[in-house]
Amino acid sequence: SQKIEQNSEALNIQEGKTATLTCNYTNYSPAYLQWYRQDPGRGPVFLLLIRENEKEKRKERLKVTFDTTLKQSLFHITASQPADSATYLCALDVNNDMRFGAGTRLTVKP
Amino acid sequence: KAGVTQTPRYLIKTRGQQVTLSCSPISGHRSVSWYQQTPGQGLQFLFEYFSETQRNKGNFPGRFSGRQFSNSRSEMNVSTLELGDSALYLCASSRGPETGLDYGYTFGSGTRLTVV
Repeated sequence: SQKIEQNSEALNIQEGKTATLTCNYTNYSPAYLQWYRQDPGRGPVFLLLIRENEKEKRKERLKVTFDTTLKQSLFHITASQPADSATYLCALDVNNDMRFGAGTRLTVKP
Repeated sequence: KAGVTQTPRYLIKTRGQQVTLSCSPISGHRSVSWYQQTPGQGLQFLFEYFSETQRNKGNFPGRFSGRQFSNSRSEMNVSTLELGDSALYLCASSRGPETGLDYGYTFGSGTRLTVV
């Protein structure tokens, strides 16, 4: 069956360190993979998109990689700050609609 | 510009009742998708509408339905509510189906539905 797994339900790191979040998928061949940030009581906010023919994308302190052989995407936040604390969701296109992983709750401690 | 607007923000209903939720997309956005979010299941895709037509549907029972109007506003309806329908219902908009894939989706803040 098809699955999207974000392997850590929660991740705690110290301010200034790099946070690395993982998104694995099985039985999909997505053309697009997106990452979103969600704060409590709010809807997800789009952060970054990477296409199947791209290996890496960067935006300010954010970096996303996409390995279609491993069926995995890594999401990095460098020089993390307490304001980066939130739940991060990966999403894949399935039949031209986005399906989401359960999310990883990141806490950055001062 | 105004974001995606969902009304109401909070709703409490009794088992067996029905409920209608509303979503107004960003001006110029014609595609609206609906998601159910629960702590146990995460974000689950309900359906997507574009130009008043349902393009895709997730794996939910027929009690969940939706529609889209000519001004792109969308409503979803849940009939015969069950306790398990308690969730945050989110809608997301994009200019069109392929635009969302290419540029991401804009979500509303959701409607928190509690069924008692």
